[in-house]
Amino acid sequence: GIQVEQSPPDLILQEGANSTLRCNFSDSVNNLQWFHQNPWGQLINLFYIPSGTKQNGRLSATTVATERYSLLYISSSQTTDSGVYFCAVILTGGGNKLTFGTGTQLKVEL
Amino acid sequence: GAVVSQHPSWVICKSGTSVKIECRSLDFQATTMFWYRQFPKQSLMLMATSNEGSKATYEQGVEKDKFLINHASLTLSTLTVTSAHPEDSSFYICSAREVGREFYNSPLHFGNGTRLTVT
Repeated sequence: GIQVEQSPPDLILQEGANSTLRCNFSDSVNNLQWFHQNPWGQLINLFYIPSGTKQNGRLSATTVATERYSLLYISSSQTTDSGVYFCAVILTGGGNKLTFGTGTQLKVEL
Repeated sequence: GAVVSQHPSWVICKSGTSVKIECRSLDFQATTMFWYRQFPKQSLMLMATSNEGSKATYEQGVEKDKFLINHASLTLSTLTVTSAHPEDSSFYICSAREVGREFYNSPLHFGNGTRLTVT
């Protein structure tokens, strides 16, 4: 079946630190998105990035589709970055269903 | 742009009653909407795909008679949890894809979710 694994599952950072979150997927993808779910449950769309590299402020993402992984970089982390980060993919041949990864729980401390 | 409004944001109901959750695309039309469920400390799991004007497609293990989905217009899909029980308590989130956008070249837009508690 479709597998979307994220690592690490949990991460604790001191404010100001940088981090890299990883998303591995089991097959080629047509669509990949990164989300931040805040403590209230809201899903914030960070990047739509089926391939290549994008940057938005302190965040950037890179997807290497041929090697079946994507990375989310958080620089100069802030306490407001805390929450759960999900990648989600539509696998080639998987219809139009967006499948979510296992998630990374991030806590940024002062 | 691309705002998806979900209502209510939270609801508490008694066991055996039914609850309706609405998902609206505010500034775009959506032929396809998706309903997800998320239990505490877990990822989001797709429940069903809702297509305007036709029957919803349910994922394996999701009871279609318990989770009724109606997609009567290009801007509104509803999920009704019938005869709710405590095990149905969860976070339900809808998402929508804009008309004319293909799944392989466009993002999904998500609502803010509905937290359902069945007592």
